[in-house]
Amino acid sequence: QKEVEQNSGPLSVPEGAIASLNCTYSDRGSQSFFWYRQYSGKSPELIMSIYSNGDKEDGRFTAQLNKASQYVSLLIRDSQPSDSATYLCAVTGGNEKLTFGTGTRLTIIP
Amino acid sequence: KAGVTQTPRYLIKTRGQQVTLSCSPISGHRSVSWYQQTPGQGLQFLFEYFSETQRNKGNFPGRFSGRQFSNSRSEMNVSTLELGDSALYLCASSWGGGQQETQYFGPGTRLLVL
Repeated sequence: QKEVEQNSGPLSVPEGAIASLNCTYSDRGSQSFFWYRQYSGKSPELIMSIYSNGDKEDGRFTAQLNKASQYVSLLIRDSQPSDSATYLCAVTGGNEKLTFGTGTRLTIIP
Repeated sequence: KAGVTQTPRYLIKTRGQQVTLSCSPISGHRSVSWYQQTPGQGLQFLFEYFSETQRNKGNFPGRFSGRQFSNSRSEMNVSTLELGDSALYLCASSWGGGQQETQYFGPGTRLLVL
């Protein structure tokens, strides 16, 4: 079983709609959770970090964490074509190393 | 503040050769982590260095090694290259490598093994 799992997609969302990206993790000792965005041919850049249960909002982005269900999600409101990218979920486990999911490719359709 | 830099950006090698990649972290950052990214396996953690010591290691064979210098710059070496080593190698730096710290990625070195 993979430590961090994401739907590989591709996920297509109309411009202006809400994009919902999901991630589950297997290590109950995980304490820190990150969403990175990676454009084709570029390196990952941090979008959101979340450490406690609940929602965290930053502009059009909302991260949601549910440690009991071992689930973390990212919502993108008012999706823009520039949001088209691969989104990587990353988790820091008990051994402190960052483990990434394989990513979800998101396409925003104008 | 300058970001993470990696050299070279592109590299072509043949099987059996060895390669050394370099990473300069953001000024003041003491933790450097290395990752391998391939289409099939995604981003996989190789190792992390902090204050010139390897602090964490991923599940890669001993052909993959690294080191860190006193100025926090890091190098990784891959010996006896195999075709499967073709990948994007990313380095990321953070201040102390703590669990809640953001890791900032460099542009990567794209390695092609023929």
